[in-house]
Formats: sequence, structure tokens, C-alpha cells
Amino acid sequence: GAVVSQHPSRVICKSGTSVKIECRSLDFQATTMFWYRQFPKQSLMLMATSNEGSKATYEQGVEKDKFLINHASLTLSTLTVTSAHPEDSSFYICSARGSRASYEQYFGPGTRLTVT
Amino acid sequence: LAKTTQPISMDSYEGQEVNITCSHNNIATNDYITWYQQFPSQGPRFIIQGYKTKVTNEVASLFIPADRKSSTLSLPRVSLSDTAVYYCLVGDPADMNYGGSQGNLIFGKGTKLSVKP
Repeated sequence: GAVVSQHPSRVICKSGTSVKIECRSLDFQATTMFWYRQFPKQSLMLMATSNEGSKATYEQGVEKDKFLINHASLTLSTLTVTSAHPEDSSFYICSARGSRASYEQYFGPGTRLTVT
Repeated sequence: LAKTTQPISMDSYEGQEVNITCSHNNIATNDYITWYQQFPSQGPRFIIQGYKTKVTNEVASLFIPADRKSSTLSLPRVSLSDTAVYYCLVGDPADMNYGGSQGNLIFGKGTKLSVKP
């Protein structure tokens, strides 16, 4: 199956700093990528949907100025958590799908963000 | 907006067959049913997808009755490594936003399966 990678897998940062998380589709072109956040013992919550070359669509309650998403190419999307705070500590997961006809959505391994 | 309901948790023993049922009463005509498996601190992994009747792959079977208002994921002869959270999702794969809430592919709470020796 298709492979989606995320980097870094774990990151610890200080409060007030910014952190960038990369999501790459390794063997297919991802027309659409999704970013999820998952708190301990909870389900995945969709944060935003990004289509290559266009602005991301954010879910209600997600601050677009705090969670910057860039989908500059068909294989790379980045999520930047700006001015991170301890409450932003979470597991961030990206997913990608290829063409419109693709019936599968491929998930990355996730990035564990800890803000101290 | 398709919504799914699953049992919060299930227990099983190694070697048993496990059936996890998901209710999706307002599934739309074009919606497919997809199951994912998630281990702690990992991204979800695709297990199986179907539209109607029965689908089988090397990992699991998916049973969907004629009214499509529910589906059952069947895991044959589970092992300890099958301990995970299993999510049932419904959505229209042809929707450009499939995978996001606009495409109605929303993660519910999932079923935490615990397999004991």
C-alpha cells in the first residue's frame, strides 16, 4: 500500500516557540491531505483539510493563525504550530489520499508534540 | 451527516473470532464503510472497506446487511497483537473531501479490543 511519513516522530519544545511537522506521501501524489489531532484516550479530531496549491480548510474551533498549513507540492504538507502552549501537546496525525477515485486514505505514523 | 456507533470496548482471548458491529443508521447511498485499526501512538491503519454484502481480505471480513444500516468487522483467530482500537467510518470516496468532515468521514470513539492470552 501507499506510504505516508511524518517528521519528526517526537518533538519537545518550549512554550512560545513554533514547531513544524512534515507530512510526505512517499510513493504517490497526494491531492488532498488531512491533519488530525488526538489527545490521550480520545479519538482523532480533524483539524484541517488541505488541497495542493490552495488554502487549507479549517474545522470549526481550529485557529488558522495558530496552526499554519502549507501544501506546496503533491507530496508534502506541513503543519506549523505557532507560539505553542502546553495545551497544544498532543499526537498529530496526517493522512493523504491520491486521486478522486482513490477509495483509501493513508495515514502517517503521527508526531508526538510535547510543549513544556 | 453519517454517524457511527460502536461498542466502547470488547475483550477476547487468543484464537477466538471477534466480531465488532457498527451502526450507521443514516448511511447515504454513495457511502462506503471503512474500518481502521490503531495501535497506541501510531496512525490508523486501513483494514477493510466495503459497500454491501461481504468483503474478505487476508486480514478480516466485513459483513454488510442489505439495508446497510450496520456492518460487522470479523477478525478470525485473534492474537495478542490484535489488541488495538478499531474505528468504523462511513463516507463517499468520490467526494473530494473524503477523509474530512466535509466528506462525512469522521472518526467516532472506536472500539478498544483487548485480547488476552
